[in-house]
Amino acid sequence: DVKVTQSSRYLVKRTGEKVFLECVQDMDHENMFWYRQDPGLGLRLIYFSYDVKMKEKGDIPEGYSVSREKKERFSLILESASTNQTSMYLCASSPYPRQTQGRTYEQYFGPGTRLTVT
Amino acid sequence: GQNIDQPTEMTATEGAIVQINCTYQTSGFNGLFWYQQHAGEAPTFLSYNVLDGLEEKGRFSSFLSRSKGYSYLLLKELQMKDSASYLCAPLGSKGGYNKLIFGAGTRLAVHP
Repeated sequence: DVKVTQSSRYLVKRTGEKVFLECVQDMDHENMFWYRQDPGLGLRLIYFSYDVKMKEKGDIPEGYSVSREKKERFSLILESASTNQTSMYLCASSPYPRQTQGRTYEQYFGPGTRLTVT
Repeated sequence: GQNIDQPTEMTATEGAIVQINCTYQTSGFNGLFWYQQHAGEAPTFLSYNVLDGLEEKGRFSSFLSRSKGYSYLLLKELQMKDSASYLCAPLGSKGGYNKLIFGAGTRLAVHP
């Protein structure tokens, strides 16, 4: 079974703090993603990575950065947390785009981290 | 542009059939996913369509019409545990990369 784990289920931080959200996958997947999920807005892509040391901006990268030093680990960093970054953060991974039992590009999600910035 | 449209909420009765529609506009298209997400949990994969037509998998079926930019998820013999949000997610392309584009989801409530 694919397993994607995230370092915390719930996190409370103060405005201005630097926040690290960690994600680890154990399936040797090349691709990893960070999303945030807000009511009525669905999942929005923050950053993604298709290989170690590689990162690409998603749709809402402002206020965030990422790090991928090892294949299995993808970290999301909030340099200076703000209240509008209060959200559910979801990490996902997937293998390289190829036909895999008809489930090309399927992403496997971690349990999520509910971050509150006060 | 990229746009996903699906109903915000639906209700249905246990044992019934429900159809959740999704219309989409994306830059590039490489198939469409449906995910299920129970409250407070991670989304889990339900189905993937890349060709037109109906894909059946047990109580769940998914349909795709690429020319119409339309998909639906059909849930039969509804059970209480089917109460969840259902996310329509076409695989589009942007900036040279393929990306899942998620709709806001349809929250389905199944009543006895």
